[in-house]
Amino acid sequence: EAGVTQFPSHSVIEKGQTVTLRCDPISGHDNLYWYRRVMGKEIKFLLHFVKESKQDESGMPNNRFLAERTGGTYSTLKVQPAELEDSGVYFCATGIQPNTEAFFGQGTRLTVV
Amino acid sequence: AQSVTQLDSQVPVFEEAPVELRCNYSSSVSVYLFWYVQYPNQGLQLLLKYLSGSTLVKGINGFEAEFNKSQTSFHLRKPSVHISDTAEYFCAVSGILTGGGNKLTFGTGTQLKVEL
Repeated sequence: EAGVTQFPSHSVIEKGQTVTLRCDPISGHDNLYWYRRVMGKEIKFLLHFVKESKQDESGMPNNRFLAERTGGTYSTLKVQPAELEDSGVYFCATGIQPNTEAFFGQGTRLTVV
Repeated sequence: AQSVTQLDSQVPVFEEAPVELRCNYSSSVSVYLFWYVQYPNQGLQLLLKYLSGSTLVKGINGFEAEFNKSQTSFHLRKPSVHISDTAEYFCAVSGILTGGGNKLTFGTGTQLKVEL
């Protein structure tokens, strides 16, 4: 069974540009989470989808970040325009049930220069 | 709201020695507890979890953790480490809610370095 897939694995963009990260969940996983780890600090929650609906987006840092999950399958996280402080590793995690095991992808390392 | 403290950012240990990675949490509600591991160039992998029942939880690769509610701790232990255990370890909690999902709150991670 395929795991959670994220791409790209790495992205280097200039300040002011737009980047779109993608997450393909494990088939059948309705719950999808985005997390971010900045500069070796703790991994922080960004938002949670249940199918195509945003359940909790309290962790989204500002309106430069837009997450979508059309059709309740894969999800995208767009940063527009990117700022230097957006650099970090973005993780996607999916699960069948909330509050139990979440399966993580390998992450996308975003570097904004 | 929850918070997680991993006091040790790095733990060096010799191969075949025991190790304990500390995790303390605070929460205004009951929580589920998790330990995740990240090997170099890989994603996060679940080591073990405490949802309910026995406070001693056994996970993969010989790791175990004990939930201590009075001390709000969930320390991770292994009696004998191997070189392949070199990785970063994350403690995480999620508040127990009825219905609907909940997010994980992570600690800052502990880098375990196993040396020969």
